[in-house]
Amino acid sequence: GIQVEQSPPDLILQEGANSTLRCNFSDSVNNLQWFHQNPWGQLINLFYIPSGTKQNGRLSATTVATERYSLLYISSSQTTDSGVYFCAIGGATNKLIFGTGTLLAVQP
Amino acid sequence: DAGVTQSPTHLIKTRGQQVTLRCSPKSGHDTVSWYQQALGQGPQFIFQYYEEEERQRGNFPDRFSGHQFPNYSSELNVNALLLGDSALYLCASSFMTGAGNTIYFGEGSWLTVV
Repeated sequence: GIQVEQSPPDLILQEGANSTLRCNFSDSVNNLQWFHQNPWGQLINLFYIPSGTKQNGRLSATTVATERYSLLYISSSQTTDSGVYFCAIGGATNKLIFGTGTLLAVQP
Repeated sequence: DAGVTQSPTHLIKTRGQQVTLRCSPKSGHDTVSWYQQALGQGPQFIFQYYEEEERQRGNFPDRFSGHQFPNYSSELNVNALLLGDSALYLCASSFMTGAGNTIYFGEGSWLTVV
């Protein structure tokens, strides 16, 4: 099956810093999404990005499908950005396979 | 536009008991998937329902079963609860057609088995 690896596993930032999270996957995919899970467990969809680049405010994401990786950029981080960031991969049926996540802590 | 709603939000059950969790998908969505997330791990796919039938199933035992109703809402049932079933159970909502579309999650049901 498809393997999904995320790095780094943990990241501590000072407020205002920038960061890059990486997701590597082992096979071609039809669906790639980035999620932020808040401390209460809610998974918030950040990007649906099987290929190309998207931006939403301080967040942006790039997926290079031919090289099987995706990057999530967080600029000018805020304490509310803290939580776990998941990359999830899907095929044609919307079944998602999640990576192990990156735990981000933004300190004031 | 209502998002994905799940109930109950928290519950405690005793080993050996049965539990039912409920999910209403986002308005207009016809497909519901269930995921189990153990502490410190990513969500794991349990199964997916579309047109009131189970379409896909992950690596979970038959103790885990589900149902989808004509209004697209869904239930997850777990029988003979084990301590290891303690987890966050997440419901995901999407369209079946048009592969590769945005999937939305509910806030989850926290199950503790004692």
